[in-house]
Amino acid sequence: AQSVTQLDSQVPVFEEAPVELRCNYSSSVSVYLFWYVQYPNQGLQLLLKYLSGSTLVESINGFEAEFNKSQTSFHLRKPSVHISDTAEYFCAVRTSGGSYIPTFGRGTSLIVHP
Amino acid sequence: GAVVSQHPSRVICKSGTSVKIECRSLDFQATTMFWYRQFPKKSLMLMATSNEGSKATYEQGVEKDKFLINHASLTLSTLTVTSAHPEDSSFYICSAGQLAEETQYFGPGTRLLVL
Repeated sequence: AQSVTQLDSQVPVFEEAPVELRCNYSSSVSVYLFWYVQYPNQGLQLLLKYLSGSTLVESINGFEAEFNKSQTSFHLRKPSVHISDTAEYFCAVRTSGGSYIPTFGRGTSLIVHP
Repeated sequence: GAVVSQHPSRVICKSGTSVKIECRSLDFQATTMFWYRQFPKKSLMLMATSNEGSKATYEQGVEKDKFLINHASLTLSTLTVTSAHPEDSSFYICSAGQLAEETQYFGPGTRLLVL
């Protein structure tokens, strides 16, 4: 079985500052990793994912995450955040080739202040 | 990416009534869909896996007679909350697996309030 830890339940940051949302996982087999974003009163939207290949993956709105196998991490970063990035961010992991059911972290609330 | 819709987005009902929530995959076929429940400030709790043409698989602690799931076609799954009570009030989210992308896509969610 796999597990996901999002160490920070809440991350406050000022607009245009950089941010890192941390995600660590544990699994005995190969994994796929995902970041989802949830805006207030909405469902989850896929932000980016790592399946294979380059360990650095990017989203269309400036976020990036790097798969680090040795540290079992998949931290999400953005060099300059906007007010509109305020949302809940969920890291998820599932075993490659296995069930489609991912294991979710508890979520990190990113709060961007003007 | 793939699109999943849910209907209704919000529903208010009286205690004791039943409520049906629809989940549709709009641009792909999904043999498997998933139903989640999300409590305020909490992560998602998987309730059940909906399998097209067969019975749903429920997670431990989820009452299958309370939460009826039907997956009648490759693009539609429904969740019916039977004899709803105030404690059933929650945000219900469905998702569908896009096989080619190895990814789950989520619907926008349904806010249920039982009075």
